[in-house]
Amino acid sequence: KAGVTQTPRYLIKTRGQQVTLSCSPISGHRSVSWYQQTPGQGLQFLFEYFSETQRNKGNFPGRFSGRQFSNSRSEMNVSTLELGDSALYLCASSLDRVYNEQFFGPGTRLTVL
Amino acid sequence: DAKTTQPNSMESNEEEPVHLPCNHSTISGTDYIHWYRQLPSQGPEYVIHGLTSNVNNRMASLAIAEDRKSSTLILHRATLRDAAVYYCILRDPLSEGGGADGLTFGKGTHLIIQP
Repeated sequence: KAGVTQTPRYLIKTRGQQVTLSCSPISGHRSVSWYQQTPGQGLQFLFEYFSETQRNKGNFPGRFSGRQFSNSRSEMNVSTLELGDSALYLCASSLDRVYNEQFFGPGTRLTVL
Repeated sequence: DAKTTQPNSMESNEEEPVHLPCNHSTISGTDYIHWYRQLPSQGPEYVIHGLTSNVNNRMASLAIAEDRKSSTLILHRATLRDAAVYYCILRDPLSEGGGADGLTFGKGTHLIIQP
């Protein structure tokens, strides 16, 4: 079974631009969560989607948004990029919202110049 | 999610057992204890989880104290490939949001394996 895939793997943007990251969960998984990882703050939860609806959101500004499609694939968008948005963005999928282990993708490394 | 405390780093020799401790003195009765690890340049990877009883799987064993205020992840025979940051996380599936409010990662323990 294929794992969680994320595209692109690397991205360079400049301040003020926006970016869209994509995540394809493991086949059959309906829950997709997004995390941001930085050296200073570590791994932080962004939001979780299930059945095309955002179910939970971490403590991030409204510039961070996402969506989930009917095939469970998910995208996250960051608008008006800031230098501090440079990070590894990780996507994780799980079978459903009742507690299950999360399977993480390799991440997208975003650099904001 | 309740807070966990782990040593910043630990060092062990290859092919020896490794015991990674985690303190969670404020654990609630419905909190599950989860362990994830993150190898260099990879996303986190699930290792094991448990509630009250000790648990074993192909990767590791989880020993849970009787009062559940601490637990230990045991790697029975460490290899160089086990060098990673290990995270101990508490999750309550009965909490608001159904426990799906994301994993709360602390700093974890950086495990160094010497050949």
